[in-house]
Formats: sequence, structure tokens, C-alpha cells
Amino acid sequence: GAVVSQHPSRVICKSGTSVKIECRSLDFQATTMFWYRQFPKKSLMLMATSNEGSKATYEQGVEKDKFLINHASLTLSTLTVTSAHPEDSSFYICSVTDAPTNEKLFFGSGTQLSVL
Amino acid sequence: GESVGLHLPTLSVQEGDNSIINCAYSNSASDYFIWYKQESGKGPQFIIDIRSNMDKRQGQRVTVLLNKTVKHLSLQIAATQPGDSAVYFCAERGGADGLTFGKGTHLIIQP
Repeated sequence: GAVVSQHPSRVICKSGTSVKIECRSLDFQATTMFWYRQFPKKSLMLMATSNEGSKATYEQGVEKDKFLINHASLTLSTLTVTSAHPEDSSFYICSVTDAPTNEKLFFGSGTQLSVL
Repeated sequence: GESVGLHLPTLSVQEGDNSIINCAYSNSASDYFIWYKQESGKGPQFIIDIRSNMDKRQGQRVTVLLNKTVKHLSLQIAATQPGDSAVYFCAERGGADGLTFGKGTHLIIQP
């Protein structure tokens, strides 16, 4: 399966600062990546679909200006949490699909964001 | 899309016993299902998948059963080991909505 690298694994920041999370597909070119958010003891919630070379597609209720997604290359997507607040504290996980079936998802190791 | 749910939030089993984790889905159009394992602080890890034209698929120590009549999916883990402790999610793919994840079952292994 695909190898997905996510960095950093954990970040603590002050309220009002911005945090960038990187997601890299290490062994194949991913035109599409997905960003999920997960609260403690809860399931994964899809935030947005990151499309290489075009704008991301956000799920209903996800603020585009709060969660900036950039997919500038076929192997890298970034999620920037802008002006972070304590309620943005969560576990963020990226994933790529298994080409060419585009069904199975392979996940990164996740980023635990804690906003003080 | 419609959600995928789970019957039990926590399942406790004795080491060496078989584990059965259940999942109910509601989208009759879903044609592909996956089980993921997530350990604490890590991303989900693919375990096994099954297409709707099958009712059973086996992997290494794991078996997935699909009953389309009652829209039920299960994951069976043989000879459960301490390393199997994790949260298990089922996910379905139904049309253009992408993967929908269930709520998760926390599998606890007792010595």
C-alpha cells in the first residue's frame, strides 16, 4: 500500500498563531489527498479533499479561511490552521487513495494539535 | 451520505480467544467496505476490504463477513493477541460521497 508521511506528529501552539501540517505521499504521485479531523474517542470526519493544482473541496461546515489547504505538487499537501484557537485542538490526519481503484485510503500517522 | 454505525463501543476479550466486531450500514448503494485499525495516537491502518459481490474474505488471522440482506459487516480476529488492542473502524464507499467511517469499536484484550 501507499506510504504516507505526515509531519509534525505533535504541535503545541499559542492561541492566535498559525500551524502548518505537511502530508507527503512517498511512493507514488497522488493527485488527490484527503484531510480528516478526529476528536478523542470519535470517528474520522472528512474536512476537505485536496486536489493537485486546483482548489481544495471543503466539506460542509468546514471554514475555508480557517483551514487552508495547498496541494502544489503530486507528493505534497499542506494544511494550515490559521489563527488557531483552543477549539481547533484535535488530531488531524491526511490520507491518499490507492490508485487506480481510488477506493482504499492509506493514512498518515496524524498530527496532534494542542492550542493553548 | 448515510452513516455507518457500530453495535458496540467497547469489546473486551480474553487473549487467545476470537474477536468479532460488528458494523451496521445503511446505504444500500455502498459497494465497497473496509476495516481499519487505529492505535492510540496513530493514523488508521488498513486491515482488510471486501466488495459487495462477495460475502466473505479472509486475510491473515482476520476475516470480513458481509451480509447485504441485513446490511451488516463484521470483522473476525482469530486468536486475539495483545497487539490487537486498538479501535477498529468500518468504512463504506457509496457512490460519489467517498468513504464514510463508523464510530469505532475499542477492542480491549484481557490477559
